[in-house]
Amino acid sequence: EVQLVESGGGLVQPGGSLRLSCAASGFTFSTYWMNWARQAPGKGLEWVGNINQDGSEKKYADSMKGRFIISRDNTKNSLYLQMNSLRAEDAAVYYCARGQSWSLDYWGQGILVTVSS
Amino acid sequence: QSVLTQPPSVSAAPGQKVTISCSGSSSNVGNNYVSWYQQLPGTAPKLLIYENNNRPSGIPDRFSGSKSGTSATLGITGLQTGDEADYFCGTWDSSLYTYVFGTGTRVTVL
Repeated sequence: EVQLVESGGGLVQPGGSLRLSCAASGFTFSTYWMNWARQAPGKGLEWVGNINQDGSEKKYADSMKGRFIISRDNTKNSLYLQMNSLRAEDAAVYYCARGQSWSLDYWGQGILVTVSS
Repeated sequence: QSVLTQPPSVSAAPGQKVTISCSGSSSNVGNNYVSWYQQLPGTAPKLLIYENNNRPSGIPDRFSGSKSGTSATLGITGLQTGDEADYFCGTWDSSLYTYVFGTGTRVTVL
């Protein structure tokens, strides 16, 4: 069974940093693109970015470029999202999701990030 | 500001059919595969349709997808109370070089 479990969320001050993790199991992690997406309270889905199988290729949504960094460790079956210079508008539930057939086919349960002083 | 436009809400009685549109452009819907996601209240999104009209295993055939030009459509037949959820379309945008989601549609079963 495919499982994706996010961790590392919480409260951070504006301008601060936070690192999210996503632990994957139930599939061969190293053979899939992986994605991060987010959803602000009461709002729609927003794609954050993705990373290819060996971590050599990464893409980001414009509003995250230069502030967010996606990485992975295939030896630990883990995906990461380093978030820097956080703003109030970055507050959201963050999801990791597996990429397959031009879609996001499995999603984690999500982790809440709150940005407030 | 999403580049894919969906109606904010649709509703119908149990057993009836609803359709949800997803309107984009040639850089996204028109030339890339469209997926549909269902988000039940308080839960993570779930893939319903991939590559325009394919259902993952376990998704009932009451759910169907289609695409024509720069618009895609999700159909739900035999509507059930358990179908009350938010539905999002999604696709790659070749100009923005990002994945994009639709604005989302809330389905209400009357």
